Formats: sequence, structure tokens, C-alpha cells
Amino acid sequence: QVQLEQSGAEVKKPGASVKVSCKVSGHTLTELPMHWVRQAPGKGLEWMGGFDPEDGAAIYAQKFQGRVAMTEDTSTDTAYMELRSLRSEDTAIYYCATYITMAGIFDFWGQGSLVTVSS
Amino acid sequence: DIQMTQSPSSLSASVGDRVTITCQASQDIRNYLNWYQQKPGKAPKLLIYDASNMEIGVPSRFSGGRSATNYTFTISSLQPEDTGTYYCQQYDHVSELTFGGGTKVEIK
Repeated sequence: QVQLEQSGAEVKKPGASVKVSCKVSGHTLTELPMHWVRQAPGKGLEWMGGFDPEDGAAIYAQKFQGRVAMTEDTSTDTAYMELRSLRSEDTAIYYCATYITMAGIFDFWGQGSLVTVSS
Repeated sequence: DIQMTQSPSSLSASVGDRVTITCQASQDIRNYLNWYQQKPGKAPKLLIYDASNMEIGVPSRFSGGRSATNYTFTISSLQPEDTGTYYCQQYDHVSELTFGGGTKVEIK
């Protein structure tokens, strides 16, 4: 069974960067396209981006392009999401989730990592 | 970007009621639509995929359908354990996945 274990809560100041990790167990990261979805307090789900298995490249939602970077360390089966130039509206729970490309399904989810941006 | 307009944003119904949620796509998404349930403090859980196919283990009171660009999610007989927030998600293009705004379902 696939399990995703995310890093802990973070508090950051506006303008800083945050890097959230997501460790995969029960499978290898190379076979699981990883995506990231965030949820602001009391708000809905927002897709940020993920890996396209066709070419292995990361694809980002237009809203985050230039400010986000998604990477993977296959030696440790860990995925990372770094968000730069943080602002208060980036306060949210950040989820990693495996994505079944052909079915468009977010299959397995991490427990979420709360990022709070506050001066 | 493909926009998904989900309605209502919240609803309150009695146990046993039939409940319907709608997602309208801004363009044709060819049945590439899934429905998720999210409980407070938990990650979303897939219920319906490809507009009308039930995920394994999902109770049969849940169903999905489509009429043109309108996609519906129905709970035929609302149960107390069905409280939570429901989201539609389109995947017509992997480069622009989007969720609906969510519908919070409560028991009256």
C-alpha cells in the first residue's frame, strides 16, 4: 500500500521560501507521478502542478509559474515542492498526491503540511 | 483555463433526502470529471471517476451523471456519515487540472 509522509508545519515571513517534502513508501517514486494541491483555511482545493510521466517534466498551474519548483529525489523516494516569495495568501495546507494520468485521478494523498505566512 | 462552477456552495438536508450537486464546465471536458469527498482535517477521497463510474467500495447511494456541460453528483438517500465537503475535478488537460469550489453538506 502506498503511503505518503509529509514534512511538518512551517511558519514563514512574507517574502521567504518554503520547501515541503513528501516521502513515498510502499512503492517507488519513479512509478508514481506526484502532484501538489493546496487548501487555504476554510477554502477549496487548488491544483499547483505535478509531473507529466510522458517526459518526466514538471508542469505548473499558470498561477504559480515562476514561483514554484517541484523536484524529486529518486534515491530517497522523496518529492519536494518549493514555493518562493511567500505572501499571506499562501497560508494553506499543502498536500502531495499521486496522480493516475490516464484516469485523471488523485489516488493517494499525504496528510498535508500547514504553511503559515505571517510577519 | 477551464473553469468549474460548482453549486450549491452548501446545503442542509435531512437523513434520507435525495441530494444533488452540480458542476458546470466552461467548455467541453468530455466526461473527464471526478468527484471527491473531504472530511474535516482529512485529505479528499475519490468517489466517482469519469463522471459516472463508482470507485470500488463506495456506497451505491452515490452516483454521477452528465447533461451537456453540466455534471451532477447525487446522494440518493443522505446518511449521517455523508457530511463533509464534496468537490468535482476536471482533467481534460493535464496542464490545467481544476477543482470546483466545493459543496459543504450538512444534516438538518
